[in-house]
Amino acid sequence: GESVGLHLPTLSVQEGDSAVIKCTYSDSASNYFPWYKQELGKRPQLIIDIRSNMDKRQGQRVTVLLNKTVKHLSLQIAATQPGDSAVYFCAEKNDYKLSFGAGTTVTVRA
Amino acid sequence: EAGVVQSPRYKIIEKKQPVAFWCNPISGHNTLYWYRQNLGQGPELLIRYENEEAVDDSQLPKDRFSAERLKGVDSTLKIQPAELGDSAVYLCASSETGIGTEAFFGQGTRLTVV
Repeated sequence: GESVGLHLPTLSVQEGDSAVIKCTYSDSASNYFPWYKQELGKRPQLIIDIRSNMDKRQGQRVTVLLNKTVKHLSLQIAATQPGDSAVYFCAEKNDYKLSFGAGTTVTVRA
Repeated sequence: EAGVVQSPRYKIIEKKQPVAFWCNPISGHNTLYWYRQNLGQGPELLIRYENEEAVDDSQLPKDRFSAERLKGVDSTLKIQPAELGDSAVYLCASSETGIGTEAFFGQGTRLTVV
């Protein structure tokens, strides 16, 4: 069954604005949380990840937040560009098993 | 580094026919996953291997699906007989052993059952 829940299936943002994607996870034993980007017809690719011993991690234009108390994750994409249009998946890893949520489709409007 | 290689990229078969997918993981990656991805959905785990051992196949429909990873490197996933509902993209991923290790995906095989 699906252990990773999604808050919004779709998100539309104006180019240059920030996009925030949220999801929840159910397994308190999970200790690794990757975020994947999947463009249409392509493979999922890792964009950022966070381990359970952290609550925030920043990359290039992306920031991931982890709230273990309420089992929430969020991904922020700053200064969105047309190339950011894709489906974004949060995932959790527990005992080596990697489980994915349903994904959020982000559309960046020009 | 070629990354995770899957073949074929596309496959169209009639229902009740058998089909097989092949995956070559990244060299040195002991963990191998097979996922099924339906349109508009996230990848769903079918089976996970640690070396040649299937350590999690609880989501694999064993009446028609089978998988093997002989010698702990390449893997094949088979469906026999295929049903219309099996139409999906079948993704293979591999990673190094460990909790916080990135899983790399192959391009997937898009299966259409008619």
